Amino acid sequence: AQSVAQPEDQVNVAEGNPLTVKCTYSVSGNPYLFWYVQYPNRGLQFLLKYITGDNLVKGSYGFEAEFNKSQTSFHLKKPSALVSDSALYFCALGGGATNKLIFGTGTLLAVQP
Amino acid sequence: GAVVSQHPSRVICKSGTSVKIECRSLDFQATTMFWYRQFPKKSLMLMATSNEGSKATYEQGVEKDKFLINHASLTLSTLTVTSAHPEDSSFYICSAGDPGAVLNYGYTFGSGTRLTVV
Repeated sequence: AQSVAQPEDQVNVAEGNPLTVKCTYSVSGNPYLFWYVQYPNRGLQFLLKYITGDNLVKGSYGFEAEFNKSQTSFHLKKPSALVSDSALYFCALGGGATNKLIFGTGTLLAVQP
Repeated sequence: GAVVSQHPSRVICKSGTSVKIECRSLDFQATTMFWYRQFPKKSLMLMATSNEGSKATYEQGVEKDKFLINHASLTLSTLTVTSAHPEDSSFYICSAGDPGAVLNYGYTFGSGTRLTVV
């Protein structure tokens, strides 16, 4: 069965410092992996995806993620955090016969000024 | 880019009444739409997959008679919460995609509907 895990409920980081939000997955075939961000009382916004190709994927707002097949991980990163990056981040796994997206439990990122 | 409009953004209803939430794809045809429920501790639960012209596929544990889904056109899916109760209060989010969306950008999400049942 496919699954995706975000082991951290919350990540705290000071503005200007690098940030990492972790995601691991389990899938029998090739994974389609996504990161989304959610601001309060809003829907989800697409940040970036990995389907195939380079393991380092660059996305919106300066975010990037590294696909690591051996560790089955797809951690989200940003070299220098902004206060405005504070939001809820979801990792998602897609594909398969139903084309459903399976979401992790979300990680709240709090960037302190 | 692809835009999904969800309406209403907030609704308050009395216990026992029904509420309809609309999800529209504005600039593309969505053969598939998904309905999610987001609980206070933030996790997203997929409720059902809505396919245009056919019956929705519900996830295990979701009452299909409670949460009626209709996907009558390629641009509109509706979720009706029937005989709503306070425990149905939640944030409901739809997402939509065209064929192959999952391979390109995932799916586009609506802005969500905050349902409060009093």
